[in-house]
Amino acid sequence: DVVMTQSPLSLPVTLGQPASISCRSSQSLVHSDGNTYLNWFQQRPGQSPRRLIYKVSNRDSGVPDRFSGSGSGTDFTLKISRVETEDVGVYYCMQATHWPWTFGQGTKVEIK
Amino acid sequence: EVQLVESGGGLVQPGGSLRLSCAASGFTFSSYWMYWVRQAPGKGLEWVATIKNDGGEKYYVDSVKGRFTISRDNAKNSLYLQMNSLRAEDTALYYCACVPRGAPFDYWGQGTLVTVSS
Repeated sequence: DVVMTQSPLSLPVTLGQPASISCRSSQSLVHSDGNTYLNWFQQRPGQSPRRLIYKVSNRDSGVPDRFSGSGSGTDFTLKISRVETEDVGVYYCMQATHWPWTFGQGTKVEIK
Repeated sequence: EVQLVESGGGLVQPGGSLRLSCAASGFTFSSYWMYWVRQAPGKGLEWVATIKNDGGEKYYVDSVKGRFTISRDNAKNSLYLQMNSLRAEDTALYYCACVPRGAPFDYWGQGTLVTVSS
């Protein structure tokens, strides 16, 4: 199975400041169809998950443009340009290239 | 409005069975692959099972293979997860989800809690 490793696991941030989460996969996430199916999810406290980014860098509908994704192959990054209160929660990367799909451990973002 | 509403969770003894259901509305259910994702109390997310839009392909995480069966009824806009030989480690909140790999949207239910304990 593909192991997804996130860092850091805890990220205290100051409101209005940027934040960055790293995700590394144990093997390349390039699919045979040429796409890289790396997603980022946000789970706010007490809520269901919500996808923010699909295929590395594409924002889902309704996702603020302060969220951006980048990377290739085995190394990926989620960036929040200016953290807002509503961004508090746990963020997961997930690969959907290889069965079984696998999630990272999660990164807890909190306000300092 | 899109809705995914799970039901069927509850308390069951080890070795027992449960059948989860997910009622979908507000989108063309029959067009999309569907998923079950679970989250143990205080833990992270784990993808459990996937079914193709026509039911022709199914995939499972290794830990549930041979015990869980995913199915769907497109005429009823419903997704199911038959869970047999339940173990304590299956205790989790089970989410029904539609997460297209290449389209800019996803839908999630609120989850149904499964507790396996004697």
